[in-house]
Amino acid sequence: GAVVSQHPSRVICKSGTSVKIECRSLDFQATTMFWYRQFPKQSLMLMATSNEGSKATYEQGVEKDKFLINHASLTLSTLTVTSAHPEDSSFYICSARRDSMNTEAFFGQGTRLTVV
Amino acid sequence: AQSVTQLDSQVPVFEEAPVELRCNYSSSVSVYLFWYVQYPNQGLQLLLKYLSGSTLVESINGFEAEFNKSQTSFHLRKPSVHISDTAEYFCAVRISGGSYIPTFGRGTSLIVHP
Repeated sequence: GAVVSQHPSRVICKSGTSVKIECRSLDFQATTMFWYRQFPKQSLMLMATSNEGSKATYEQGVEKDKFLINHASLTLSTLTVTSAHPEDSSFYICSARRDSMNTEAFFGQGTRLTVV
Repeated sequence: AQSVTQLDSQVPVFEEAPVELRCNYSSSVSVYLFWYVQYPNQGLQLLLKYLSGSTLVESINGFEAEFNKSQTSFHLRKPSVHISDTAEYFCAVRISGGSYIPTFGRGTSLIVHP
C-alpha cells in the first residue's frame, strides 16, 4: 500500500521558537496533502489543504501566518508552526491523496509537538 | 454537508468477546464510508472501506462492517477481540465523487481487558 512518512514523530521546543514538520509520500505522487490537528481524546480537525505549487487552503479559524504550509514538490509538504506557544502543543497528522486514486487518502504516523 | 456520529466514546470488553462499534452518518447524497484505527501516538491506518457493491466489507484482521443505507449506519464488528485490538477507532464519510476531504466521527476507544 501507499506509504506516507511524517517527520519528526515527536518534538519538544521552547516557547517562541518555530518547528517544521515534514510529510512525504514515499511511493506515489500527491498533488494534494492535508494537515490535521488532534487534541487528546478528540477527533481530527482539518487545518488546511496543501496543494503542490500553489497556496494552501486554510480552514476557518486556522491562522495561516502561524501555521505555514509549503508544498514544494509532488512528494513533500511541510507545516511550520511559527512562534510556538504551549497552546500549540498537540498531535499533528498529515495525509496525502494519491493522484491516481480518488477514493482515499493515506495518513502519516503523526507528530507529537510539545511546547515548553 | 455530511456528518458522522459515533455514540460510544469508550467500549470496554473482555478478550475473546464480540464487539460492535457504532457509526451513523447523515448525508443527502451517496457516500463512501471508512473505518480507521489509531494506536497510541500513531497516525491513522485504514481498516476497511465501503465504496460500492457488497454492503458487507471485511478487513484482514477479522473486523467487518456493514453498510445499511436505510439506517444510515456503518457499524464495525469483530466476533472475538484480542488485547492488541485496543486502540481508537474512527468512522469517516465522504461524498462519492466530490471533494476528497472526509468527515470524521469523534472516535471510539476500544479497551480490551484480559
